[in-house]
Amino acid sequence: EAGVVQSPRYKIIEKKQPVAFWCNPISGHNTLYWYLQNLGQGPELLIRYENEEAVDDSQLPKDRFSAERLKGVDSTLKIQPAELGDSAVYLCASSLRGWETQYFGPGTRLLVL
Amino acid sequence: GQQLNQSPQSMFIQEGEDVSMNCTSSSIFNTWLWYKQDPGEGPVLLIALYKAGELTSNGRLTAQFGITRKDSFLNISASIPSDVGIYFCAGLSTSGTYKYIFGTGTRLKVLA
Repeated sequence: EAGVVQSPRYKIIEKKQPVAFWCNPISGHNTLYWYLQNLGQGPELLIRYENEEAVDDSQLPKDRFSAERLKGVDSTLKIQPAELGDSAVYLCASSLRGWETQYFGPGTRLLVL
Repeated sequence: GQQLNQSPQSMFIQEGEDVSMNCTSSSIFNTWLWYKQDPGEGPVLLIALYKAGELTSNGRLTAQFGITRKDSFLNISASIPSDVGIYFCAGLSTSGTYKYIFGTGTRLKVLA
């Protein structure tokens, strides 16, 4: 069974530029998560989807971050414009349902110059 | 954001030694997960615990769900060099909405 797929794996951009990350969850998983992981820290939830509905986006900085999960499968996380402090690892995870075990993708490492 | 306390923060051990680490919370959790993260990779699930007092093993790894439901422990027996990495705990909060809260991580370095 394929795991969670993320792309790109690495991204380097200049500040004020837009950037987008893509995630394909494990087949059949209804719940999808986007996490932010700063250096030396554990993952912190940005947004959680149940199918195509965002059910928890309280930690998403909505002035510059946006996400979508059209058709309840793949998801895209966007930052516009990026700031220096956005440099981090962006992890996607999925689970069958919100209370089930979640599995992570390899992450996208973003560096904003 | 909220993060759970993990102890120790980092540790150096000799190959062959046993390792113990723990994770504590001020809140009650219904599920505890333990992950390992290698450099440049996402966290990989090691063990899942669903019941207070539960003791579960996965090879050389053993984890326990604390009786108070506010803590969990992970033990690694006879460590080997590939055990190097960062170990994260995660607790499932069901207060309001389902949400996993992650620990700050324990960095393990094994000396051959």
